[in-house]
Amino acid sequence: EPEVTQTPSHQVTQMGQEVILRCVPISNHLYFYWYRQILGQKVEFLVSFYNNEISEKSEIFDDQFSVERPDGSNFTLKIRSTKLEDSAMYFCASKRDRGFMYGYTFGSGTRLTVV
Amino acid sequence: AQTVTQSQPEMSVQEAETVTLSCTYDTSESDYYLFWYKQPPSRQMILVIRQEAYKQQNATENRFSVNFQKAAKSFSLKISDSQLGDAAMYFCAYLDTGNQFYFGTGTSLTVIP
Repeated sequence: EPEVTQTPSHQVTQMGQEVILRCVPISNHLYFYWYRQILGQKVEFLVSFYNNEISEKSEIFDDQFSVERPDGSNFTLKIRSTKLEDSAMYFCASKRDRGFMYGYTFGSGTRLTVV
Repeated sequence: AQTVTQSQPEMSVQEAETVTLSCTYDTSESDYYLFWYKQPPSRQMILVIRQEAYKQQNATENRFSVNFQKAAKSFSLKISDSQLGDAAMYFCAYLDTGNQFYFGTGTSLTVIP
């Protein structure tokens, strides 16, 4: 069964550093998403991406964050100048089309730890 | 914005017994989808079951079934013949027409051997 692949599975970074979280969506999917889950809290929407641009973003997704699909296969989330409160599990997801019948396919997540 | 409420932070069930996890949501939309996701300690999000709001028939997926009460905005998950592998965090989620998910705070399920 096709999977959404996220790398790395765990990243530790110094506060103030930039990190890039990588995702390889399912190949024929067109809609891409990032979600965040702070430990012990619920999963929260960050951003959706379609046709090489952001479709929607939440209040969490401020200027510190950016997304990119650099080469037609990867979908990245960049966090500039990381803060301690950015420590969380970050989930990438993809979807074939706009119809929401089947929901998303989530990746297995990247655990980001900011120290 | 839609809200999803899971009022049971923790639940436990004896192996082979049945357990029901509660979920309520708030929306003004008439067309939406509801999901239950399982999150084991690995923290991967695994789809358990989904329900289309326009369908009156409750979804069933092997040992997992839902009780969808649209008027009451209730969407509970029933796990029958509970197995040790069912132990996980369970999230109820609402998917809106904009394809954005709203998740509940989760219910941690313990299965007692």
